[in-house]
Amino acid sequence: DTAVSQTPKYLVTQMGNDKSIKCEQNLGHDTMYWYKQDSKKFLKIMFSYNNKELIINETVPNRFSPKSPDKAHLNLHINSLELGDSAVYFCASGANTGDYGYTFGSGTRLTVV
Amino acid sequence: AQSVSQHNHHVILSEAASLELGCNYSYGGTVNLFWYVQYPGQHLQLLLKYFSGDPLVKGIKGFEAEFIKSKFSFNLRKPSVQWSDTAEYFCAVNSLTGGGNKLTFGTGTQLKVEL
Repeated sequence: DTAVSQTPKYLVTQMGNDKSIKCEQNLGHDTMYWYKQDSKKFLKIMFSYNNKELIINETVPNRFSPKSPDKAHLNLHINSLELGDSAVYFCASGANTGDYGYTFGSGTRLTVV
Repeated sequence: AQSVSQHNHHVILSEAASLELGCNYSYGGTVNLFWYVQYPGQHLQLLLKYFSGDPLVKGIKGFEAEFIKSKFSFNLRKPSVQWSDTAEYFCAVNSLTGGGNKLTFGTGTQLKVEL
């Protein structure tokens, strides 16, 4: 039973399109995140939601809009995709108390052509 | 703002060699420290973590790390590497901001173990 699941695993799309990536966690964690891993493997936080509330927004373009319908889901919608958006996007979840470890999803490899 | 430095970007070792990957962090408050591993084409997996107590932390697959507060370091070690340890290794530090955690990663170290 996958703890943090993302769909789709691969996404190839043309510039200018709008696409969404979905993420769900069944760990009961309060906080969910989106991270972007670029071609040099650098991981950078994009967003963090705590119990459906946006907590962190790390200077991400407005074309990226996260949505959290409930604390188990955090989706990422991207408008007007650009070539530079090509990357692997990882969803993660974590608890706010006690164990501060994160659990990551398997990633979504987005390729914009 | 917190930051994490990993000085070894690429490391090549022969099987059975000993491994030490450097990690230094910059943060003024209490830190929680992590090492994650990413095998080729896969997601991040937690190797080990430090919150408090014994500064020598043991993780999975024979890895360990030592937290040295005076040096702001959290180096990863393994006495004898295997070919299957070929992967990208990330050091990370977290801090609490407005009710949520924020995990900041280093740039990663690519380890290649040769037979």
